[in-house]
Amino acid sequence: DIQMTQSPSSLSASVGDRVTITCRASQSISNYLNWFQQKPGKAPKLLISAASSLKSGVPSRFSGSGSGTDFTLTISSLQPEDFATYYCQQSYSTPRTFGQGTRVEIK
Amino acid sequence: EVQLVESGGGLVKPGGSLRLSCAASGFTFSNAWMSWVRQAPGKGLEWVGHIKGKTGGGTTDYAAPVKGRFSISRDDSKNTLYVQMDSLKTEDTAVYYCTTDGTFDIWGQGTMVTVSS
Repeated sequence: DIQMTQSPSSLSASVGDRVTITCRASQSISNYLNWFQQKPGKAPKLLISAASSLKSGVPSRFSGSGSGTDFTLTISSLQPEDFATYYCQQSYSTPRTFGQGTRVEIK
Repeated sequence: EVQLVESGGGLVKPGGSLRLSCAASGFTFSNAWMSWVRQAPGKGLEWVGHIKGKTGGGTTDYAAPVKGRFSISRDDSKNTLYVQMDSLKTEDTAVYYCTTDGTFDIWGQGTMVTVSS
């Protein structure tokens, strides 16, 4: 199975900050990497697919990069509605493994 | 409107069974690969399994913790996805989501399954 490791597991940031979350796969997954945002009590929401393709309707302050084993989600200027938990996930093979999540909290 | 709506969750005793349903609308369900994903209280997301679409032969694959106990199926005439969960354990307690496999861009609202005596 492919293991997905996210870092950090949590972070505190202020509105307007630039935030970077990293995700590492235990083997190459090409660009088969999705990023999700989840708020309490809600279903996950797809932000980025294929490592860097922003889903329609998602603000352009979100961006993704990487290929192979190392990936990054960047929020260029954190907004109040961005405080949530973020997950990476590989769709290269089964089982479709998720990272453990990164909780973004208000500083 | 593109939508997935889960149903069938509830309280069940260890060793019991439950079948969840997921009604799809607004997209061509028969071609879509579909997954179930679960989230235990206060924990992260865990992929449960998936079923391929019609062109993929409708075959299934499962995560190790549920293999042999859970069975995913679909009725394309009803645009509905199912998961039959047998020999349930306390560690199966979670919110269960259905979602489109691959890009995982469509999700249901989730249905809670509690396994407890």
